[in-house]
Amino acid sequence: EVQLVESGGGLAQPGRSLRLSCTASGFTFGDYAMSWFRQAPGKGLEWVGFIRSKDYGGATEYAASVRGRFTISRDDSKNIAYLHMNSLKTEDTAVYYCARDESGGAFDIWGQGTMVTVSS
Amino acid sequence: SYVLTQPPSVSVAPGKTARITCGGNNIGSKSVHWYQQKPGQAPVLVIYYDSDRPSGIPERFSGSNSGNTATLTISRVEAGDEADYYCQVWDSSSDLVFGGGTKLTVL
Repeated sequence: EVQLVESGGGLAQPGRSLRLSCTASGFTFGDYAMSWFRQAPGKGLEWVGFIRSKDYGGATEYAASVRGRFTISRDDSKNIAYLHMNSLKTEDTAVYYCARDESGGAFDIWGQGTMVTVSS
Repeated sequence: SYVLTQPPSVSVAPGKTARITCGGNNIGSKSVHWYQQKPGQAPVLVIYYDSDRPSGIPERFSGSNSGNTATLTISRVEAGDEADYYCQVWDSSSDLVFGGGTKLTVL
């Protein structure tokens, strides 16, 4: 079964760091670009960033709201994509999803999400 | 930055046709993808590249895109179609953009 599972969410204080993991199964993970998204409580979807496959240099891009604070990496040997979140702010509180980029920005497989709460 | 505008809500009776619009400047020149999200669940891709359907998505779901408006059409609406729907594009200046979402209510 093709599947993505996020983990690593929880409660963090403002200014602290957190690392989320997205573990893939059921497909050749290294062949795909992967993205992270988030959804604040009661709000819409927001793109966080993406990482291309190694065939495309593993390049990354980020939304302006997280650029310079968040970093995406991948370990194709473990089928895991990571979201490293630094200098967390209360407005980063959201459910975080990872998703597979099937083609040209259409995301066909999503994880179930992991909740991140930033609060003192 | 590129903005996508969706109506906050659309209501439709069972068996009728629902149309959810997504407005953007010259959106017809971009590829539009649509997602369905039910409460407490992850989004599901229902239309990609304006009008293609992923496997497993009923033929009742269709899409179009021209000029300044993309449209998701759901024919013969069922109670199970009640959900939030989001349009999405890649924009060279704004990267990946979502519309604000439309809540579809089945009366």
